[in-house]
Amino acid sequence: DAGVTQSPTHLIKTRGQQVTLRCSPKSGHDTVSWYQQALGQGPQFIFQYYEEEERQRGNFPDRFSGHQFPNYSSELNVNALLLGDSALYLCASSYGATDTQYFGPGTRLTVL
Amino acid sequence: AQKVTQAQTEISVVEKEDVTLDCVYETRDTTYYLFWYKQPPSGELVFLIRRNSFDEQNEISGRYSWNFQKSTSSFNFTITASQVVDSAVYFCALTSIIQGAQKLVFGQGTRLTINP
Repeated sequence: DAGVTQSPTHLIKTRGQQVTLRCSPKSGHDTVSWYQQALGQGPQFIFQYYEEEERQRGNFPDRFSGHQFPNYSSELNVNALLLGDSALYLCASSYGATDTQYFGPGTRLTVL
Repeated sequence: AQKVTQAQTEISVVEKEDVTLDCVYETRDTTYYLFWYKQPPSGELVFLIRRNSFDEQNEISGRYSWNFQKSTSSFNFTITASQVVDSAVYFCALTSIIQGAQKLVFGQGTRLTINP
């Protein structure tokens, strides 16, 4: 039973660039949530996608956007990267928007 | 607004000792859920337990146990006879279901080191 997978594992970008992170949910799950975890901090909620729609959003600027595909996989896009966007980006999936969330291994983004 | 506080930033114990990780939460909702996740050095958050606000029964799973007390807004986690493999960062989290969606609110985490 495949768990949540994320790609790429690591990414290095420069300020002002754009980045796309990808997530495939655990088998049987239809909801994807994204979190940002700065070094030494707890994860911060970015948004949740269910039925290809953004259902809830955290306190992140519009530079952060997402998409969910019919196969339930998801992308997180960040435009105009800032140094402060350097973090571990975690994807979590669940069966339905209110069930327990299971996390992937994350994508480590470094912005130089 | 919801908030989770894990006052212990780091804990270090010797193997086989018992250790308790504290978690205090704030919410105005009457229905909510509490979680504990483990984050080993690999970075992936591993789900440990989910508790709803109407179930105050303590739970035990092997060497792990959880004490949920609504009166003090606490959801503490105890590891009995700790092992080196328990070394990780542990996060307590809180959520409510809002408009059919949920977001997890995490504490700052407690870094647990088990020394051989």
